[in-house]
Amino acid sequence: AQSVSQHNHHVILSEAASLELGCNYSYGGTVNLFWYVQYPGQHLQLLLKYFSGDPLVKGIKGFEAEFIKSKFSFNLRKPSVQWSDTAEYFCATGGYQKVTFGIGTKLQVIP
Amino acid sequence: EAGVAQSPRYKIIEKRQSVAFWCNPISGHATLYWYQQILGQGPKLLIQFQNNGVVDDSQLPKDRFSAERLKGVDSTLKIQPAKLEDSAVYLCASSLLTSIYEQFFGPGTRLTVL
Repeated sequence: AQSVSQHNHHVILSEAASLELGCNYSYGGTVNLFWYVQYPGQHLQLLLKYFSGDPLVKGIKGFEAEFIKSKFSFNLRKPSVQWSDTAEYFCATGGYQKVTFGIGTKLQVIP
Repeated sequence: EAGVAQSPRYKIIEKRQSVAFWCNPISGHATLYWYQQILGQGPKLLIQFQNNGVVDDSQLPKDRFSAERLKGVDSTLKIQPAKLEDSAVYLCASSLLTSIYEQFFGPGTRLTVL
């Protein structure tokens, strides 16, 4: 079965710092990869997605992720975080008509 | 566009009691999902419907959990009897048939079993 693993479970950054959250996936044929985000008190929502093509994917709010096949990675990045980016971030993979989520990374941005 | 609706938002019950959760997906979304999210973990798929048929219920504890989606719209998830380890947030999500990996989530129901 396809799965993802997230390396950092809790990350604390100061505003304007750069962000990189790690995600590795297990190979299971066609690769469909996602990052979902849950802001405090809000619903889980899709941040960005990768199905094929350009390995650098742009999402909402200045986030991007890079699919590196040789490393089985799909890390999430943002050059300069804001306090409003405080949230929990989930890496996920899609296959066999279902989505499998990672354990999540809680990001806390300190003003 | 109205989002995925869930009720109740919170529920506290004692073990061995029964509980039911309701979900109304986004209009036009043929696929509906129920996830269980235990504290400190990612959402785990319990059951997936396509219209009113079950696509995947391999991780649903069928001895105590049941779900239905009558008429292919609303859905209910029931636990009977509840155990302490069922304490979790139960998330409902929906998607278009053509974009099953792009799921829209509801606010969830936080269940506490005492």
